[in-house]
Amino acid sequence: SAVISQKPSRDICQRGTSLTIQCQVDSQVTMMFWYRQQPGQSLTLIATANQGSEATYESGFVIDKFPISRPNLTFSTLTVSNMSPEDSSIYLCSVGDAYTEAFFGQGTRLTVV
Amino acid sequence: DQQVKQNSPSLSVQEGRISILNCDYTNSMFDYFLWYKKYPAEGPTFLISISSIKDKNEDGRFTVFLNKSAKHLSLHIVPSQPGDSAVYFCAASEGGGSEKLVFGKGTKLTVNP
Repeated sequence: SAVISQKPSRDICQRGTSLTIQCQVDSQVTMMFWYRQQPGQSLTLIATANQGSEATYESGFVIDKFPISRPNLTFSTLTVSNMSPEDSSIYLCSVGDAYTEAFFGQGTRLTVV
Repeated sequence: DQQVKQNSPSLSVQEGRISILNCDYTNSMFDYFLWYKKYPAEGPTFLISISSIKDKNEDGRFTVFLNKSAKHLSLHIVPSQPGDSAVYFCAASEGGGSEKLVFGKGTKLTVNP
């Protein structure tokens, strides 16, 4: 299984600001995903990060709010833009492919005040 | 509309006994099911999976059962150990693999010594 490093592990941010979360994998992977877990809720897929092209967003998530980059097969970033308290969540990077289970990073716990 | 439901938010069992965690789904297109375990401040860790062509899959102390007609799956842990205390998430996907996992809200398992 891949080793996934996510930074930062936690942050407290002021509303209206933006935070960029980094995800580094120790090997090349086909697929990278970003999930959100709001308090008391299940994990929800935000988008699939595509290498060399725009991310594919799920219903309810838009690029202006959650811009994603994936410059190569081992790295991706998720930015949470113009934050509000409703964005307080755990954000998780995940990797996998079409034939195996997904593996997750340790997550970024974001609190917006 | 929740497509994957874990109706028990918590479960408490004695060490050595069997733990049974349940999961129901509504989307008949799901054909790959996974269980993840999550400790506080860590990302979800993959436990075991099952394809819709099977009704049972075993891995050591962990067994997953799938009842397609009832759209129900369960995770059995035998014997339960205190180190199994964690939140367990059920997840499902269409087409197998890591793409677009849909998660339940999780069940917090406590194994008492």
